[in-house]
Amino acid sequence: DAGVIQSPRHEVTEMGQEVTLRCKPISGHDYLFWYRQTMMRGLELLIYFNNNVPIDDSGMPEDRFSAKMPNASFSTLKIQPSEPRDSAVYFCASSFRKAYGYTFGSGTRLTVV
Amino acid sequence: GENVEQHPSTLSVQEGDSAVIKCTYSDSASNYFPWYKQELGKRPQLIIDIRSNVGEKKDQRIAVTLNKTAKHFSLHITETQPEDSAVYFCAPRTNNAGNMLTFGGGTRLMVKP
Repeated sequence: DAGVIQSPRHEVTEMGQEVTLRCKPISGHDYLFWYRQTMMRGLELLIYFNNNVPIDDSGMPEDRFSAKMPNASFSTLKIQPSEPRDSAVYFCASSFRKAYGYTFGSGTRLTVV
Repeated sequence: GENVEQHPSTLSVQEGDSAVIKCTYSDSASNYFPWYKQELGKRPQLIIDIRSNVGEKKDQRIAVTLNKTAKHFSLHITETQPEDSAVYFCAPRTNNAGNMLTFGGGTRLMVKP
């Protein structure tokens, strides 16, 4: 298995632009998580899905952030409009049931200028 | 929600020495206790985990011990090597919180050759 696949690896965008981050979980995994990592705030859970259904989005910072999981093999995290304070590494992770740990993707380093 | 603290925040050891990192959590309903390792610029990776019905687990040079009464668990690394240098995160999970892991703030381990 190729693991959790995220794209793009790096994204540089101007303030006000729309940004879309993509994630393909490990085949067969039924949970998918979006995390944001910064030096100041560490690893923050933004949202997670179970069987494609959003379960907890209480970590989504504000209405500028949205996430979808249209099927078991694909999820997106969208920021519109983007702001410099959104600059961070965004990780996607997946897991199989509740009994196991997470497998993280390689992350997307987002820079908003 | 779960309150998670790691100590120390940084740890410097000489190659060959042992390292111990402690994680304290607040929710007595927590039942799964993993440790993740994140090398610079890489993704967090699960290195060892333990469940609430077990007091200790070993895997070669690493071990995790759990004290449910005191609500803490620790990562032990013996015979440290330079490649052990990384940031380590604990991430306990409460059964009541779905499949959500709450990550600690991280411990930066530096192994000096």
